[in-house]
Amino acid sequence: QQQVKQSPQSLIVQKGGISIINCAYENTAFDYFPWYQQFPGKGPALLIAIRPDVSEKKEGRFTISFNKSAKQFSLHIMDSQPGDSATYFCAASMRAAGNKLTFGGGTRVLVKP
Amino acid sequence: GAGVSQSPSNKVTEKGKDVELRCDPISGHTALYWYRQSLGQGLEFLIYFQGNSAPDKSGLPSDRFSAERTGGSVSTLTIQRTQQEDSAVYLCASSLGVLGGDGYTFGSGTRLTVV
Repeated sequence: QQQVKQSPQSLIVQKGGISIINCAYENTAFDYFPWYQQFPGKGPALLIAIRPDVSEKKEGRFTISFNKSAKQFSLHIMDSQPGDSATYFCAASMRAAGNKLTFGGGTRVLVKP
Repeated sequence: GAGVSQSPSNKVTEKGKDVELRCDPISGHTALYWYRQSLGQGLEFLIYFQGNSAPDKSGLPSDRFSAERTGGSVSTLTIQRTQQEDSAVYLCASSLGVLGGDGYTFGSGTRLTVV
């Protein structure tokens, strides 16, 4: 059972544009929602994370929007740069259950110069 | 060390052989996780260790998979009688604790190829 669904699978954006990746979850017990960035040959690296008591979190060019009632959250990458070209994964976990992450399927982002 | 270290970075093994994958977490991190990343299944949780508690093995796909963590630090993931479907990147991650801090730090993984 896929508990976290991520879309789109791939995305091409021009330099300076906005990249938007969406995720939907099923388990209302999830209480931690991180986004990870992965470059080829490397492990995922934490980008930004949010807890369900807030609706938005911004760190630099990266913003998470969270809609608890719709069980959806999204990542916005503003002013996208070629160096942002990577695969992005959303995830969700229950901290009280060991914080084991359930990942979305990933989105491959290509930023064209 | 500064990050999570995994070895070997690549491993090619024959079907039916046993393999051991090693993870050296960040010093002071009490929680350690193993995940598997494959094209067909994405990123899947395998097992986690928290301090001296019994490990959560709920993600292990079969009894051919096992892991241990010695002295609360280094962990070894063992796959016995490897099968071709075991081919994947095995990722280790550590964190300050399951309730504390934000997120894990992942290693670069071990790419396992079973031929």
